[in-house]
Amino acid sequence: GAVVSQHPSRVICKSGTSVKIECRSLDFQATTMFWYRQFPKQSLMLMATSNEGSKATYEQGVEKDKFLINHASLTLSTLTVTSAHPEDSSFYICSARGGGRGETQYFGPGTRLLVL
Amino acid sequence: GNSVTQMEGPVTLSEEAFLTINCTYTATGYPSLFWYVQYPGEGLQLLLKATKADDKGSNKGFEATYRKETTSFHLEKGSVQVSDSAVYFCALSSAAGNKLTFGGGTRVLVKP
Repeated sequence: GAVVSQHPSRVICKSGTSVKIECRSLDFQATTMFWYRQFPKQSLMLMATSNEGSKATYEQGVEKDKFLINHASLTLSTLTVTSAHPEDSSFYICSARGGGRGETQYFGPGTRLLVL
Repeated sequence: GNSVTQMEGPVTLSEEAFLTINCTYTATGYPSLFWYVQYPGEGLQLLLKATKADDKGSNKGFEATYRKETTSFHLEKGSVQVSDSAVYFCALSSAAGNKLTFGGGTRVLVKP
């Protein structure tokens, strides 16, 4: 149990375009989802926390207009990177918590974004 | 604020060797402690956790004990395999908001 999926696993896009990444909890209802960014050989940086049905809470330094997060249901959260630039290239990982599984966060497999 | 410090890698071992990855933390209150593992090209998987002092988390031959007196949560495995090659992250979750704070990660390479 506690499976979290992400789609797509890899995406390449041109500079200036927008990219949407989906995060789904497959076998539990996620009241809270988290979005992280990971640079090569570095640790995870929390970008934002989203609770179902409410606006996301962004960490300091993360542009909310650039990284749009929607958590419209208990099993789906989306991250849209708007007007992507090469410096947005990174590994984006989501995690989910809830459904009676306590405080443990369960992570998705990640999405590698490359902006050309 | 909260912080997690873990030993820098890479750690290179031979198969069947003993593995220790040190992790210490700073936190207010009584955090929960976690070890996550990340295999190449994948997301993080929860390896084990401990929610209170003196708890021992264990999974797949790995163990870690929550030591409040030394604010540590060192990861150990008695006999590693090539398949244990990965990056290991120590993390804590405080009561406020349950956000995870990660250490920098330790890359482990096990050679046959």
